[in-house]
Amino acid sequence: DQQVKQNSPSLSVQEGRISILNCDYTNSMFDYFLWYKKYPAEGPTFLISISSIKDKNEDGRFTVFLNKSAKHLSLHIVPSQPGDSAVYFCAASASYAGGTSYGKLTFGQGTILTVHP
Amino acid sequence: ETGVTQSPTHLIKTRGQQVTLRCSSQSGHNTVSWYQQALGQGPQFIFQYYREEENGRGNFPPRFSGLQFPNYSSELNVNALELDDSALYLCASSFRGEQYFGPGTRLTVT
Repeated sequence: DQQVKQNSPSLSVQEGRISILNCDYTNSMFDYFLWYKKYPAEGPTFLISISSIKDKNEDGRFTVFLNKSAKHLSLHIVPSQPGDSAVYFCAASASYAGGTSYGKLTFGQGTILTVHP
Repeated sequence: ETGVTQSPTHLIKTRGQQVTLRCSSQSGHNTVSWYQQALGQGPQFIFQYYREEENGRGNFPPRFSGLQFPNYSSELNVNALELDDSALYLCASSFRGEQYFGPGTRLTVT
């Protein structure tokens, strides 16, 4: 049962344009969402996160939008740069009181982003 | 501040053998999580350790076990290796927040 889905295996974008990566989830207990970027031979690198009490979070060129009613989130990268070419993973977590709320991440399958010069 | 490190980088084992993978947490991080990433898939949660105690487990059999040490470094042990255990094994450390991943150990079971 895939609780977090990234339905686009790949995305190709021209440099300077917007990249939009999408993610859907089914578990209504998820209340914290993250995006990671992964280059070959490296571990995933944290990009940006959003709590379910918000619908938008922005950090420089990266913006994450959350639509709770649709159980959908998206990552916007503007403007896209060739160095952004990587695999992007969406992840979700269900928090609980105490301890490490964000430890048990459920990941999507990933989307390969290619930004052409 | 050092990042998360893992050893070894690559490993080849035979079906039925046992393997131990190691992870050093980022300084100050008291929580370690282990993930298995099969080819073409996202990482799957194996288990998490918080202050040397297992703090949650994913859908993995008991032959996957772990340890966390007082310095918060960690080991993942896999017994009776199967061909399907071939994957990238990632550890991630955290302290009340986002997880920071190591580069992973690529395990091949033949």
